Amino acid sequence: GAVVSQHPSRVICKSGTSVKIECRSLDFQATTMFWYRQFPKKSLMLMATSNEGSKATYEQGVEKDKFLINHASLTLSTLTVTSAHPEDSSFYICSARDPSVFGQGTRLTVV
Amino acid sequence: AQKVTQAQTEISVVEKEDVTLDCVYETRDTTYYLFWYKQPPSGELVFLIRRNSFDEQNEISGRYSWNFQKSTSSFNFTITASQVVDSAVYFCALRPNTNAGKSTFGDGTTLTVKP
Repeated sequence: GAVVSQHPSRVICKSGTSVKIECRSLDFQATTMFWYRQFPKKSLMLMATSNEGSKATYEQGVEKDKFLINHASLTLSTLTVTSAHPEDSSFYICSARDPSVFGQGTRLTVV
Repeated sequence: AQKVTQAQTEISVVEKEDVTLDCVYETRDTTYYLFWYKQPPSGELVFLIRRNSFDEQNEISGRYSWNFQKSTSSFNFTITASQVVDSAVYFCALRPNTNAGKSTFGDGTTLTVKP
């Protein structure tokens, strides 16, 4: 079946640094991928829709300059959290194809 | 606007009991998809089922079954003879059947199955 691979699964970074999260479709091409954020014991919040070869579409309230999304190929989308702060600590998860297929998620901790 | 309501925040059952997780949705779209996902403590989201709004047939997969009632906008999920490994957070989601369709998730139901 279709598989989406997300890396890293966990990352700890210092305040002010940037962190890149990768989302790869392993056995299919994904012109569209979705990035979600999940706070502890909360639901998934759609952050943006990543479109191959064009700009991402961000949801209302999501800072474009803070959360940079690049969908450079049909199998790879990246989310970069720039100048991370402790309040950016969260679980980030990508999906493709419906979203029936999710990546494993990335737990980001900013210290 | 879309909305998915999972009124049960937490459910606790004893192993082998049957348990039903409720999901009620709101949408103005005439065609849409409904999903259920399982999120175990490890965090990854596991896809369980996708149902097209045109198909109101109930579905059974092993110990899992789903009851889709379009008239009441509900898509309930039943686990029969629950097991400890079923302990997880379960999410119901709705997506309109368009190219730009965005999924809306419910707040999730935390199921704890005690031995």
